[in-house]
Amino acid sequence: DQQVKQNSPSLSVQEGRISILNCDYTNSMFDYFLWYKKYPAEGPTFLISISSIKDKNEDGRFTVFLNKSAKHLSLHIVPSQPGDSAVYFCAASANQAGTALIFGKGTTLSVSS
Amino acid sequence: DTGVSQNPRHKITKRGQNVTFRCDPISEHNRLYWYRQTLGQGPEFLTYFQNEAQLEKSRLLSDRFSAERPKGSFSTLEIQRTEQGDSAMYLCASSSITSGRYGEQFFGPGTRLTVL
Repeated sequence: DQQVKQNSPSLSVQEGRISILNCDYTNSMFDYFLWYKKYPAEGPTFLISISSIKDKNEDGRFTVFLNKSAKHLSLHIVPSQPGDSAVYFCAASANQAGTALIFGKGTTLSVSS
Repeated sequence: DTGVSQNPRHKITKRGQNVTFRCDPISEHNRLYWYRQTLGQGPEFLTYFQNEAQLEKSRLLSDRFSAERPKGSFSTLEIQRTEQGDSAMYLCASSSITSGRYGEQFFGPGTRLTVL
């Protein structure tokens, strides 16, 4: 049973527009959420995280929103750039010490110029 | 480059053979993790170490899988009697509980295993 779900396998966006990637989770014990970006032939690279005590965290062009009641988080990228084209993984942890990360299946973002 | 390194990057083996992968974490990181990623899936947690102690190994996929981290530095992941279903990307990550973003894990490039 998937505890972290990314229901959109792919997303296509034009350069300069907003990209919104969504993630749902089922385990109410999750209290820390992360987004990773992955290029082909490389390992995942950390993007941004959010603790369950917050509902928003912003870092440059990247903002993560957390809706605990809906068990939903989203990653907003504004403005989108062609270099953002990659697979984006949502991950969750059941304790902030960051032991096992539970990943979604990923969403492939394509940003066209 | 002071990132996480993994060797080899690619391994092709025949079914039934044993394979061993190595991971060198970021030098000041005391936690080390192993994940497996198959096609179309996200990374799947296998095990982790804090220094030389293996604190979680119940998610290792079978008793054919084992991991070590002697002296709390590099780690090895061994798969005995490989099966075709073991074909996957094996990822290593490291983190520090004393500095950096809390909970952030830094990943290596992975070792791609193909079992013929």
